[in-house]
Amino acid sequence: AQSVTQLDSQVPVFEEAPVELRCNYSSSVSVYLFWYVQYPNQGLQLLLKYLSGSTLVKGINGFEAEFNKSQTSFHLRKPSVHISDTAEYFCAVNSGNKLTFGGGTRVLVKP
Amino acid sequence: GAGVSQSPRYKVAKRGQDVALRCDPISGHVSLFWYQQALGQGPEFLTYFQNEAQLDKSGLPSDRFFAERPEGSVSTLKIQRTQQEDSAVYLCASSLVAGTSGRGNEQYFGPGTRLTVT
Repeated sequence: AQSVTQLDSQVPVFEEAPVELRCNYSSSVSVYLFWYVQYPNQGLQLLLKYLSGSTLVKGINGFEAEFNKSQTSFHLRKPSVHISDTAEYFCAVNSGNKLTFGGGTRVLVKP
Repeated sequence: GAGVSQSPRYKVAKRGQDVALRCDPISGHVSLFWYQQALGQGPEFLTYFQNEAQLDKSGLPSDRFFAERPEGSVSTLKIQRTQQEDSAVYLCASSLVAGTSGRGNEQYFGPGTRLTVT
């Protein structure tokens, strides 16, 4: 069975500072990896996805992530956050006919 | 509509009541998924439809949970004899093609139904 671990449950960060959200997965087969963002009382919105090819993936809202097969990681980064980036972020791995999600990381951007 | 819609957005049920949660996927989307998101946790898979066929129901926590998609479009998740542990947000997602295996097919999520069992 596949699993996803998000090591940080909460990350406080000041506005315009960089942020990195960590994600590690376990899988014995090739995977497809995703990052979703969830704003309060809303559904999940896809930020970016890794399917194949370049290990550096760029997404919406200035986010990017790097796939590292040897470390089984898919960390999400943004060089300069805005107040509007305050939300919960979920890493997920494709697993047959479903997505398996991590527990989420809550990002709180402070002015 | 432009996205996935779910109704009701909020539902309060007394323990033992039956509830029905509705999902309207994006028009033309073949695949439909239900997830359960407990407070402070990530979504967990419940079940998957390809058109009207329920191909995977491995995530349904008990036989009190039942889902259907009779015409391959709208889906209903029914929970019988609700218990307090059923309190969660129920998310519906749809994707354009069949399944996700080997494709990384993007799933579009609805806003969810927040179920509170008292």
